[in-house]
Amino acid sequence: DAGVIQSPRHEVTEMGQEVTLRCKPISGHDYLFWYRQTMMRGLELLIYFNNNVPIDDSGMPEDRFSAKMPNASFSTLKIQPSEPRDSAVYFCASTWGGIRSGQFFGPGTRLTVL
Amino acid sequence: SQKIEQNSEALNIQEGKTATLTCNYTNYSPAYLQWYRQDPGRGPVFLLLIRENEKEKRKERLKVTFDTTLKQSLFHITASQPADSATYLCALVDGSSNTGKLIFGQGTTLQVKP
Repeated sequence: DAGVIQSPRHEVTEMGQEVTLRCKPISGHDYLFWYRQTMMRGLELLIYFNNNVPIDDSGMPEDRFSAKMPNASFSTLKIQPSEPRDSAVYFCASTWGGIRSGQFFGPGTRLTVL
Repeated sequence: SQKIEQNSEALNIQEGKTATLTCNYTNYSPAYLQWYRQDPGRGPVFLLLIRENEKEKRKERLKVTFDTTLKQSLFHITASQPADSATYLCALVDGSSNTGKLIFGQGTTLQVKP
């Protein structure tokens, strides 16, 4: 099992540019989560999907952030336009059996916005 | 306000001793509580889940307790080893939430010295 796959692993961009982060969950998992981790705020849930449908997006900071899950094996998190305060590590996680099961995290994408 | 508190100071112990990490919460009614391990530059790894009606859960050298009266969970690692050095995160699912999203504490860093 390859685990959760995220790309890119590192992204450096300039303020105002569009950033797209990608995630492939573990096959068979029906829940997918996007988190952001910073030193100041810790690990925060941005949005999660069940069977490709967004369930809770209350953690999405603002309209500049959007997430999609067009099929069971792929999700994207897009930031447009990016700002320096978006600099963080973004994690994707997946699980099965409900949001009360342990989650499997990907390696993360370290985003730096200059 | 709602809070999850973990000891922000690093815990330093000698190899072979038992490490005890604390997770306190305020103004939540967690139905489930989870513990994760995170190594530098990597995503969190799920360790254990305990339900509100369970007092204790064990897995190999790990033990988790859950006291809903004290609003506290304790995470124990017996016979600790240098390889146990990492940051440990607690997370809960708020039972009053409609969507049951997972909320993480800031984590406690454990350093086991040989």
